[in-house]
Amino acid sequence: NAGVMQNPRHLVRRRGQEARLRCSPMKGHSHVYWYRQLPEEGLKFMVYLQKENIIDESGMPKERFSAEFPKEGPSILRIQQVVRGDSAAYFCASSSWTKATEAFFGQGTRLTVV
Amino acid sequence: GIQVEQSPPDLILQEGANSTLRCNFSDSVNNLQWFHQNPWGQLINLFYIPSGTKQNGRLSATTVATERYSLLYISSSQTTDSGVYFCAVEETSGSRLTFGEGTQLTVNP
Repeated sequence: NAGVMQNPRHLVRRRGQEARLRCSPMKGHSHVYWYRQLPEEGLKFMVYLQKENIIDESGMPKERFSAEFPKEGPSILRIQQVVRGDSAAYFCASSSWTKATEAFFGQGTRLTVV
Repeated sequence: GIQVEQSPPDLILQEGANSTLRCNFSDSVNNLQWFHQNPWGQLINLFYIPSGTKQNGRLSATTVATERYSLLYISSSQTTDSGVYFCAVEETSGSRLTFGEGTQLTVNP
């Protein structure tokens, strides 16, 4: 959905570098979800955030990955010391307070680690 | 966690044909959504349908929550319908969506 903005659309990083993925939710939406899609697979949940709070991070790898959704500004998914296995499409979704699970997705960021 | 199975995994149609895609899930759900991922990777909401039947143009969907399945119908298919169709469910215990592995649809002219 065009209302959820992700940037960059494509990101190339060398092994060992950091990747920062940004997501601006739809206007009026206070819930943000990050999902990862490996090649030829379905989407897998990573983390669920509300403003200034991580609600559920059970899908996040234990190391190198972190996420935040500050009071002001976009949500950030940060991957430190990237490896080739991090190459994937990362999607952000947002939803409103009243319909927490009718999620609308951004266009994704395609991360390639070389 | 909940299991979501989609069938068939692949489907090839001639333009104008009709098709039915199925989604089975293993437990009660709060929500079920159908998405279309186009060849450029963009995810498009098709239906938010925890139960009942909805129609939008050539597409319609039915969810029978008590029997834990949903169907997506595509009528008079067009080449622009090509892509991957995902079913995703929200468990009653949380807010995340669990996706199936998708149905890869190819519509040939």
